Amino acid sequence: QSALTQPASVSGSPGQSITISCTGTSSDIGVYNFVSWYQQHPGKGPKLMLYDVSKRPSGVSNRFSGSKSGNTASLTISGLLAEDEGDYYCCSYAGSTTWLFGGGTKLTVL
Amino acid sequence: QLQLQESGPGLVKPSETLSLTCTVSGDSISGTSINWAWIRQPPGKGLEWIGTIYYSGNAYYNPSLQSRVTISVDTSKNQISLRVSSVTAADTAVYYCATHMNTVATDWFDPWGQGTLVTVSS
Repeated sequence: QSALTQPASVSGSPGQSITISCTGTSSDIGVYNFVSWYQQHPGKGPKLMLYDVSKRPSGVSNRFSGSKSGNTASLTISGLLAEDEGDYYCCSYAGSTTWLFGGGTKLTVL
Repeated sequence: QLQLQESGPGLVKPSETLSLTCTVSGDSISGTSINWAWIRQPPGKGLEWIGTIYYSGNAYYNPSLQSRVTISVDTSKNQISLRVSSVTAADTAVYYCATHMNTVATDWFDPWGQGTLVTVSS
């Protein structure tokens, strides 16, 4: 099993929208709708932002949305704010009671 | 709201066993239907799922670590434990514990602890 593939970095200006991709295979993202996304700020534990591809936990802004097409899941953040800056990780169920995470994407708000 | 705090030795020698504890506050874990997971993050790298122990007592591990990892729960102490044997420098990482909601209908890890850094070095 290999880690899910994410771009190393993305950037955007305040108010803009950005999308982070997460590419897996037909054995994980392609077959299961159990994709979740996590935000991590320096020195902190990750925070759940989306689960089951596109569901938002209570308290997470509706500026965060998720989707999936084939073997690739995506996280979109609209109306970028400075506080959105940080690292983002995707995760997918990979069958046989195993889970895979992505390598992480550093979001910079310019 | 549950709060999780990892603790343990920050330095472990190669070939020895890494032992960490995750202390849960905010509620008793005894008799609950909560699953617990350990996840790690090598310095400057991404997250890696280590394993999940279900409230039933069944535990599942990352195939790459399975032969060296044990996760257990001590309800009397409100703690979840992780043991990794025969460690090498590749096991150097920040180790996180998290609750793991996993059913046939949903799946996510939240909340997470702050993490604890373990360095493997002689």
